[in-house]
Amino acid sequence: AQSVTQPDIHITVSEGASLELRCNYSYGATPYLFWYVQSPGQGLQLLLKYFSGDTLVQGIKGFEAEFKRSQSSFNLRKPSVHWSDAAEYFCAVGPATGGGADGPTFGKGTHLIIQP
Amino acid sequence: NAGVTQTPKFRVLKTGQSMTLLCAQDMNHEYMYWYRQDPGMGLRLIHYSVGEGTTAKGEVPDGYNVSRLKKQNFLLGLESAAPSQTSVYFCASSYSGSGHVRGYTFGSGTRLTVV
Repeated sequence: AQSVTQPDIHITVSEGASLELRCNYSYGATPYLFWYVQSPGQGLQLLLKYFSGDTLVQGIKGFEAEFKRSQSSFNLRKPSVHWSDAAEYFCAVGPATGGGADGPTFGKGTHLIIQP
Repeated sequence: NAGVTQTPKFRVLKTGQSMTLLCAQDMNHEYMYWYRQDPGMGLRLIHYSVGEGTTAKGEVPDGYNVSRLKKQNFLLGLESAAPSQTSVYFCASSYSGSGHVRGYTFGSGTRLTVV
């Protein structure tokens, strides 16, 4: 069964500091990995996704993530956070091919707090 | 393009009442999904559909029914609402072509409260 673990429920970072959000996954085949962001009361916005190719993926809003197969990880990073980055972040793993279309599995989320 | 549209956005139900949540997509996607989001639980898959006329159970299907009579619509029904079904419901759709699922488009959510 596929699963996603986000070890940090809450993270507090000072504005301008660097950020790394951790994500570990378990998946029986080649994983299709995602990071989503959700602002309070809003829907989900896709930050980036990875299936194959360069293991360092660039996304929107200055975010990037690195896929490490040996560690089953897909950590999200940003060099310098802004107050507007305060939100809930979800990592997800899903089927890449049409045969497994039962939707992505989400982690429980990491709540990011930005200190002024 | 509207993408994925969920109706209604908010609803308050009394225990035992029934209702249907509508998800409509205009991207001609084959696959559609219903998730629920609860604090500290992330999103959990309720039901999904791989095409018109087909549905399947996800991780938390109990208490819900779904139908996909038209490719563009995916309905989620609660026959007898319970307080445990208070949640935010998200619909999503995805395209599958050339052997790859090309990402998922989510609706803006329906906030349901059962009292």
